[in-house]
Amino acid sequence: ILNVEQSPQSLHVQEGDSTNFTCSFPSSNFYALHWYRWETAKSPEALFVMTLNGDEKKKGRISATLNTKEGYSYLYIKGSQPEDSATYLCAFRDNTDKLIFGTGTRLQVFP
Amino acid sequence: NAGVTQTPKFQVLKTGQSMTLQCAQDMNHEYMSWYRQDPGMGLRLIHYSVGAGITDQGEVPNGYNVSRSTTEDFPLRLLSAAPSQTSVYFCASSPTPESEKLFFGSGTQLSVL
Repeated sequence: ILNVEQSPQSLHVQEGDSTNFTCSFPSSNFYALHWYRWETAKSPEALFVMTLNGDEKKKGRISATLNTKEGYSYLYIKGSQPEDSATYLCAFRDNTDKLIFGTGTRLQVFP
Repeated sequence: NAGVTQTPKFQVLKTGQSMTLQCAQDMNHEYMSWYRQDPGMGLRLIHYSVGAGITDQGEVPNGYNVSRSTTEDFPLRLLSAAPSQTSVYFCASSPTPESEKLFFGSGTQLSVL
């Protein structure tokens, strides 16, 4: 069974704060690491798909890094805004085509 | 462009009843999958398919059947519903299995009494 862990489980920050979360995954049979943003009452939406060790991706104020050798990825949000409030999911794909999700980090940004 | 369409949005079943959750995509995606979402457990993979005629089990396949007779459709069947299957179900697809982001349907909220 693949183990994908995310920390922290939840996070409360003030508007303007920068924050980051961690996703840990198996370092063997790595194929890809996904990040999704999931707002309440909506469906998850993809932020990034990363495949290479050392990958860094950026989308506006959100960025992610990837270390496949040690099995972790960081998601950073710079200058958090209330609209960033959501659950952030990472998902690990191995060479069997399964995409296994972590339990998510729930972010709440207060004005 | 409809994307990934799931029906129904809500369903209430009695224990022992069977039903099929429908999932269709119009993007010609090869890869389709079903997840269930339970509080504190994130999204758990039930079954997935890498193309028409090919299906495989995910993390929690027991009690569910799938088939993929066409590229567009990937129905999920509950053979004999149990209260433990009360959950929100998401269908998702991607162009290929390799390294592509998933597009999710809007979910089906299922309650089994």
